Amino acid sequence: AQSVTQLDSQVPVFEEAPVELRCNYSSSVSVYLFWYVQYPNQGLQLLLKYLSGSTLVESINGFEAEFNKSQTSFHLRKPSVHISDTAEYFCAVSSVSGGSNYKLTFGKGTLLTVNP
Amino acid sequence: DVKVTQSSRYLVKRTGEKVFLECVQDMDHENMFWYRQDPGLGLRLIYFSYDVKMKEKGDIPEGYSVSREKKERFSLILESASTNQTSMYLCASSLLTARGTGELFFGEGSRLTVL
Repeated sequence: AQSVTQLDSQVPVFEEAPVELRCNYSSSVSVYLFWYVQYPNQGLQLLLKYLSGSTLVESINGFEAEFNKSQTSFHLRKPSVHISDTAEYFCAVSSVSGGSNYKLTFGKGTLLTVNP
Repeated sequence: DVKVTQSSRYLVKRTGEKVFLECVQDMDHENMFWYRQDPGLGLRLIYFSYDVKMKEKGDIPEGYSVSREKKERFSLILESASTNQTSMYLCASSLLTARGTGELFFGEGSRLTVL
């Protein structure tokens, strides 16, 4: 079985400040890792993903996440946030091996609020 | 542009009514899913389907049923709606296990209020 823990349910920051949203996972097998973003009253959109290769992955709007296997973490960072980054962010994991990778396991989400 | 479309963005129903939530995807994905999302509880899987006419229960199937008669369409049915089913419902799809990573593509969501 796998699980995902998002350590902060809410993160308030000021515009142009850096931010880190924390995500830890547990799994007995190798994993794929995802960050999804949900803007108010919308569905989830993929922000970035780690499948293999470089442990640092980036999104087109300036977010990045680093896969740390030893610490089983996949924290999301942005050096300078905008008001428009206000949204809920979900970390998710699926297993690489066998027939179970159809199912993503989600964290409970972190609400990022960017204040002027 | 790939798409998952949920037929209704907002619905208001009365207790005891039968409710249908429809979802269509145009990506030829084998897997389709229904989640509900509630504040503080995150996303919880209700049902998923890995092929036409095939379905499996998720974590919270009680009070729900599903139908998948065509590959592109997955319906969620509330046989007798209750107030505790007031929620945001999210449909998603993904590639077949052997070809995919589990990455999900979501619809815009259907916000259901049961009075």
